[in-house]
Amino acid sequence: RKEVEQDPGPFNVPEGATVAFNCTYSNSASQSFFWYRQDCRKEPKLLMSVYSSGNEDGRFTAQLNRASQYISLLIRDSKLSDSATYLCVVSGGTGGFKTIFGAGTRLFVKA
Amino acid sequence: DAGITQSPRHKVTETGTPVTLRCHQTENHRYMYWYRQDPGHGLRLIHYSYGVKDTDKGEVSDGYSVSRSKTEDFLLTLESATSSQTSVYFCAISEAMTVNTEAFFGQGTRLTVV
Repeated sequence: RKEVEQDPGPFNVPEGATVAFNCTYSNSASQSFFWYRQDCRKEPKLLMSVYSSGNEDGRFTAQLNRASQYISLLIRDSKLSDSATYLCVVSGGTGGFKTIFGAGTRLFVKA
Repeated sequence: DAGITQSPRHKVTETGTPVTLRCHQTENHRYMYWYRQDPGHGLRLIHYSYGVKDTDKGEVSDGYSVSRSKTEDFLLTLESATSSQTSVYFCAISEAMTVNTEAFFGQGTRLTVV
């Protein structure tokens, strides 16, 4: 079992749709959680951190469920420019430095 | 954008040849990382550095070595390239290695081993 698992997609949605991605992690001692965005043939960039209380940044909402060991990303009112791959990242835990990237979920927003 | 430059951006090399990829930063960040990205695997850590001459292995370090003689430069060397090392390589930097620290990535190097 991978330490961080994501549905690879692709998710194909029309503009204006709401789309949700989930990510599960296996290390219960993990401490930090992030969503990164990666455009085609580009480098990953931080989209947002994920906090236990949940956090929102405009159309984007991230949630963490420690009991079930999953994090989620909700995108409301999808735009064409949201088309990208979304990487779930889990960091911390026992055994020293450990940051694990999920394989990513591809999103295509169509007009 | 963070000042990170990777070179070369693209390279094709033959099996068995040595290859060195360079990462240069202008942010004076202490921590530097090399990742590889392959379909279905996400980014996997090869090696990282926590200071000049201080490096450690990541999860996929076999076949790779690194060196950091200056704060701004982190070199990744494939001693004898193999086809399984065909990948996209990303360098990243961060101010700290504590939790909740953002990593900034370079633009990547596409390496093809034929």
